[in-house]
Amino acid sequence: NAGVTQTPKFRILKIGQSMTLQCTQDMNHNYMYWYRQDPGMGLKLIYYSVGAGITDKGEVPNGYNVSRSTTEDFPLRLELAAPSQTSVYFCASSDYSVETQYFGPGTRLLVL
Amino acid sequence: QKEVEQDPGPLSVPEGAIVSLNCTYSNSAFQYFMWYRQYSRKGPELLMYTYSSGNKEDGRFTAQVDKSSKYISLFIRDSQPSDSATYLCAMKPGRRALTFGSGTRLQVQP
Repeated sequence: NAGVTQTPKFRILKIGQSMTLQCTQDMNHNYMYWYRQDPGMGLKLIYYSVGAGITDKGEVPNGYNVSRSTTEDFPLRLELAAPSQTSVYFCASSDYSVETQYFGPGTRLLVL
Repeated sequence: QKEVEQDPGPLSVPEGAIVSLNCTYSNSAFQYFMWYRQYSRKGPELLMYTYSSGNKEDGRFTAQVDKSSKYISLFIRDSQPSDSATYLCAMKPGRRALTFGSGTRLQVQP
């Protein structure tokens, strides 16, 4: 069981570039989440999904988009990268017990 | 004011000490309270989970919730160097999203 996997591990983007952060889980969880973690700021929810085809905004959705075409995959899209999006991005999944979320290893993104 | 406040530390203690980590919160609708542990450059992992007020013990770890004071604690007994990590409190009302504290960095010195 791989759990939650994320790619890439690290990426440097120029301002205005686009990229997709990949997230896959093999636990057959319905719920999936994207968080960003800035130093000293804790985890902030960007988007979440309660099942294939269903997504909803979290606390800080601006500048991001998501899709959920399968149970396993939940990619996060940055359309026009800005320095404020420099952060560590974590994908997580859970079953209906939302309290127990399983996190991926994170993607470190630097926007210059 | 943040919904969840947590002292960022760092908190440095000698091996074997009892550690107390705390969070305060302002939203009285929170009913579920969690502690996640995050090692450096890793994703968080769930450590403890409690519902409403009271205590819960799991090995060397005890989670305590005082809803009247809007205060939660995590106690670590006989702390080990392997406990060195950032500890994030998290909580939620009845709906799906978790609200995380900013995390407390703990260093247990051998």
